[in-house]
Amino acid sequence: NAGVTQTPKFQVLKTGQSMTLQCAQDMNHEYMSWYRQDPGMGLRLIHYSVGAGITDQGEVPNGYNVSRSTTEDFPLRLLSAAPSQTSVYFCASSYSRQPSYNEQFFGPGTRLTVL
Amino acid sequence: KNEVEQSPQNLTAQEGEFITINCSYSVGISALHWLQQHPGGGIVSLFMLSSGKKKHGRLIATINIQEKHSSLHITASHPRDSAVYICAVGRRDDKIIFGKGTRLHILP
Repeated sequence: NAGVTQTPKFQVLKTGQSMTLQCAQDMNHEYMSWYRQDPGMGLRLIHYSVGAGITDQGEVPNGYNVSRSTTEDFPLRLLSAAPSQTSVYFCASSYSRQPSYNEQFFGPGTRLTVL
Repeated sequence: KNEVEQSPQNLTAQEGEFITINCSYSVGISALHWLQQHPGGGIVSLFMLSSGKKKHGRLIATINIQEKHSSLHITASHPRDSAVYICAVGRRDDKIIFGKGTRLHILP
């Protein structure tokens, strides 16, 4: 199993550009999520999904969209990049719809810089 | 006040020392998670516990639900243990809240 994969590993954008961060898992996990990690702060939840066709907002959703058309894939779209979105982005998944008491599996991260 | 507080923020120790990282939280939880973030950035789950104690190799995690406190211990520390250790709590509303992490550096 590849686990949770993310592409790209690094990305530089100009303000106003859009892009999609890709996330895929091959463990048949129901729950998938996107976090951002900023210096001096804990991981913060952007969006999450408890199954195909179901998504919801996390703590910091503004400026991001998600969709979940299949169990495997959970892309994160930046609509119009801003310097405040410079961060490291992690995709994570867990087996059940209740992540609180299930092991989280993380992707390797995407380091995004917005100029 | 943050819902999850870790201490210390940074810790440097000599190889072989016994390491303790603390985590305090202020909300009702379903479970507490300890994670390790390698210098290269990858994050792996070490433990998930809701009571008592768990051990895996040289790592031990304990939790005291009444005191809302957990500790992660590393025995016979080694330079390869150098990483950021993250405490996260799974709240009863199914949200996971992460601490800011403890940066551990083990000197050979």
